[in-house]
Amino acid sequence: EVKLVESGGGLVQPGGSLRLSCEASGLTFSRYDMHWVRQVPGKGLEWVAVIGSAGDTHYPGSVKGRFSISRDNGKNSFFLQMNSLRAEDTAVYYCASSQNSLRFSIWGQGTMVTVSS
Amino acid sequence: QSVLTQPPSVSGAPGQRVTISCTGSRSNIGIGYDVHWYQQLPGTAPKLLIFGSDSRPSGVPDRFSASRSGTSASLAITGLQADDEAIYYCQSYDNSLFYVFGSGTKVTVL
Repeated sequence: EVKLVESGGGLVQPGGSLRLSCEASGLTFSRYDMHWVRQVPGKGLEWVAVIGSAGDTHYPGSVKGRFSISRDNGKNSFFLQMNSLRAEDTAVYYCASSQNSLRFSIWGQGTMVTVSS
Repeated sequence: QSVLTQPPSVSGAPGQRVTISCTGSRSNIGIGYDVHWYQQLPGTAPKLLIFGSDSRPSGVPDRFSASRSGTSASLAITGLQADDEAIYYCQSYDNSLFYVFGSGTKVTVL
């Protein structure tokens, strides 16, 4: 069974930093593109970052320059470093996987990030 | 403001058929990128429901089907059941914006 488990969420002040982690099991991790998708409670889904199997990364304009995605294939894990956090970054952050496709096949359970003073 | 447009809500009685539309543009659905559909039950993470033209992951009943035409796509649920109550999102790829989602449609079983 493929499983993704996020960790690292919490409360952080505006302007602060937080690092999210996602550990994968049940898949050949190095072959997968890995994503972060967020959801403001009660609102829709927003794609946040992707790191390809080759290590290439992409971000939407809303987080580019502030967020950084990375991966450690030896630990079947990938990460989201979030800097210069704003109140509007408050959301549940999900990790998700895709393989040779442009869809999100498996999702983690999510971790809540709250940016507030 | 979501790139893909969905109706906020649809409803139907048990056993009925409901459809959810997803309208994009020539930079995403209209250029030929696949449309995928996700189901989000209350308090849970989204789950892939339909991918590609009309393919279902293992375990998804064939009561769920999808189609597309031009810059739009749609999800149909036949034989509506109480546990189909959820929010449904469409998703595609955009030449400029990468991965894009619809605004979500809440399905209510009357």
